[in-house]
Order: sequence, then structure tokens, then C-alpha cells
Amino acid sequence: GAGVSQTPSNKVTEKGKYVELRCDPISGHTALYWYRQSLGQGPEFLIYFQGTGAADDSGLPNDRFFAVRPEGSVSTLKIQRTERGDSAVYLCASSLTGGVPDTQYFGPGTRLTVL
Amino acid sequence: AQSVTQLGSHVSVSEGALVLLRCNYSSSVPPYLFWYVQYPNQGLQLLLKYTTGATLVKGINGFEAEFKKSETSFHLTKPSAHMSDAAEYFCAVRTNSGYSTLTFGKGTMLRVSP
Repeated sequence: GAGVSQTPSNKVTEKGKYVELRCDPISGHTALYWYRQSLGQGPEFLIYFQGTGAADDSGLPNDRFFAVRPEGSVSTLKIQRTERGDSAVYLCASSLTGGVPDTQYFGPGTRLTVL
Repeated sequence: AQSVTQLGSHVSVSEGALVLLRCNYSSSVPPYLFWYVQYPNQGLQLLLKYTTGATLVKGINGFEAEFKKSETSFHLTKPSAHMSDAAEYFCAVRTNSGYSTLTFGKGTMLRVSP
């Protein structure tokens, strides 16, 4: 079956612009996660959805970052007034139930570059 | 809080040699431990995970890891390296303490020379 997909694969934008990053999880997975991976670092948690609701958004760095999952499937990560420090690879993952032992399946990521 | 330390940002081995990638975790409650591999321009792929039960866990591609509670370690090993094993490896921990997140280490880049 299809894995987690993310679009676009690359996004270049200018400082101050707004961007949207999209994630299509594995069909039937109720849990969806966003992570950010900076150069030389492991992925860092941003937000976790259980169904349509954000169960944990404690990893969002500030109020310029927002994510939605309106129908419990596709999710969009939105970044307002982008800054150069937002440049990173944004990873999306999904899991079947969100349970702690569940395997999280990762997409290939969106590489965001803010000039 | 939970955290992961991976010793060695880069490890180099010869083809056919033993692979040992080190991971130590910190957690105040029983952990669930994961190893992921990341090939260039690809997403993370699960190699193996420890949840409960047997402390020696076997994964894909001949990798295995052993959970040692007394040493708070979950080192990844493979008896004989293959060129195709060259990639970045991440150890991660998750617990039932209320954290929804996987907490990752900084990763270890494995280089395999002929």
C-alpha cells in the first residue's frame, strides 16, 4: 500500500512569506505527527493529531506555526511570516492508533529553505 | 523527561566488519525504544523496536539491539556490514509518561568502506 506522502518535496521562499506543507498519511491511520529536522540533528516533535484534533501541540515553536487536519486524514502545516531559522526538513509521520508502542511511519519530508 | 544520547556522530567500518552503534536513554519510567534508518533523500524507516518482553530485539536487514535496563542502553549491532548499510541511524525513546512525542538522538552516520 501507499506510504506517507508529503508535498512539496522542496520549498524555497523569501523571509516574511507564508507557506503551507501538506501530508497525506497512510489510509486508516488515526494518528499523525509533524517533526522538524534541522541539519545535523534528529527530528524534533512539533504536533500530534488524534483524528481531527490536535492532541499535543507542545512542540510548536511559536504562534507563527499552525497545523490542521480537518477531516482526520490529510494535514497541513502552516508557517506565517517565515524566518531564516525556519529552514529545515519538515517530516510527517502516521501511526495506526497513536499508542505509545505504535510504529510511526515517516514520509520523505519537505525541505523548506527561507532566503 | 526523556532523552537519548547517541555516542559518535560518525562511525566508519569496513565491509564485513561488526557494526556497533551506541544509544543511551534517560527516562524515569519504562521506555519504549526504537531504531530508525534514514537513507539520503528518504524518510525514516523503522529498523526495530523494544516494547516489552524479550530484551534482545531482531530487526530488518540483519540488525539487532539489546535493551539493558541497568545500563540504560539500547545499542544497535550487525555482525557483518554491507555497503548498503551506509546511512544515518537514529535512536528514539517514547514513554507512557504523557509525552506524545518520539524523542530522537542526534543520529550516527555509518560509513562502510570496501
